[in-house]
Amino acid sequence: AQSVSQHNHHVILSEAASLELGCNYSYGGTVNLFWYVQYPGQHLQLLLKYFSGDPLVKGIKGFEAEFIKSKFSFNLRKPSVQWSDTAEYFCAVEGNPVYSTGKLIFGQGTTLQVKP
Amino acid sequence: DADVTQTPRNRITKTGKRIMLECSQTKGHDRMYWYRQDPGLGLRLIYYSFDVKDINKGEISDGYSVSRQAQAKFSLSLESAIPNQTALYFCATWADPGYTFGSGTRLTVV
Repeated sequence: AQSVSQHNHHVILSEAASLELGCNYSYGGTVNLFWYVQYPGQHLQLLLKYFSGDPLVKGIKGFEAEFIKSKFSFNLRKPSVQWSDTAEYFCAVEGNPVYSTGKLIFGQGTTLQVKP
Repeated sequence: DADVTQTPRNRITKTGKRIMLECSQTKGHDRMYWYRQDPGLGLRLIYYSFDVKDINKGEISDGYSVSRQAQAKFSLSLESAIPNQTALYFCATWADPGYTFGSGTRLTVV
């Protein structure tokens, strides 16, 4: 069965610190990969996605993620976080996306707290 | 107006009661989904629908049912609510590049 694991459950950083959130998935075939963000009291919004091509993808608000196929990983990064990045971050995987169903497997989420 | 609207936003209900959560969308997307979010567990898929006549179970469908009344409407029902169904419920539509989520319904079963 597919699964997604996010290593960090709660991360606390100071403003301007660099961020890396880990995400590993288990699925042997082709995947689509996503990072979603949920700001306090709001719904999930798409940060970035990887379908194919360049494994380094750039998203909104200065976020990027790197797909490393050999490690089954899709880690999220940001060089310098801001207080407004305080949110919960979810990694998600869609397996066998030749015929995309939109059925995503989500990780358990990482809460990021940025101190001003 | 929001692209995906969920009602109610908050609901407290008693164990054993039947409750319906409603979702409507203005994006014209065929694919609609219901997820529940629990702390530390992320989002888990309850049901999804590719069109009015195509309804599919997700990973945690037990205790839930759905109705796709029209392309724009996808309702989730709890036939007999139980406390472990207390959660945040999200409806979503799907089209490239990904989901459009509603604002969620916070359901508490007491």
